[in-house]
Amino acid sequence: DAGVTQSPTHLIKTRGQHVTLRCSPISGHKSVSWYQQVLGQGPQFIFQYYEKEERGRGNFPDRFSARQFPNYSSELNVNALLLGDSALYLCASSLGPSRDTQYFGPGTRLTVL
Amino acid sequence: DAKTTQPNSMESNEEEPVHLPCNHSTISGTDYIHWYRQLPSQGPEYVIHGLTSNVNNRMASLAIAEDRKSSTLILHRATLRDAAVYYCILRLGSGTYKYIFGTGTRLKVLA
Repeated sequence: DAGVTQSPTHLIKTRGQHVTLRCSPISGHKSVSWYQQVLGQGPQFIFQYYEKEERGRGNFPDRFSARQFPNYSSELNVNALLLGDSALYLCASSLGPSRDTQYFGPGTRLTVL
Repeated sequence: DAKTTQPNSMESNEEEPVHLPCNHSTISGTDYIHWYRQLPSQGPEYVIHGLTSNVNNRMASLAIAEDRKSSTLILHRATLRDAAVYYCILRLGSGTYKYIFGTGTRLKVLA
């Protein structure tokens, strides 16, 4: 069975640009969460979506936004990129938003120059 | 705010048990304790989770203190493939169902 997939694998952008990251959850999973992992640190929660609705938001600026589509895939958008946005962006899916275990994808490595 | 504290690194000899500690003194009654591990260039991988009682699965055991302010992940026989960063995580149980990751423990397994 396919796990969580993310695209692209790597991405290089310059300051001020916009980026869109994509995530496809495990088949049957309806909840998607996004995390930012800066080098050497643990992942930080950004968003959780369930049934196309935002269920949770971490302490990130409004430059970060996301959405979930009818097929439960998701996009994370970041506007006005800063050098500090350089990180590994992880997507995780679960059956539902509550107690279910989250399964992580391999991540998208974003470098902002 | 919810938070976990772990040692930065630990070492173990191959085929010996490993006890990875975690403090989570800010835990609330509905928060679950999860453990994930992360290999280089990969996303975190689920290991085990629990709420109040000790838990066992094919990968590991989780021992939770009676006051729930600390827990220990136990790998019964460490192998070289167990070398990874292990994260102790609080999964908030109310409102936002988000995972609060700590800084993780880098486990080195010696052959």
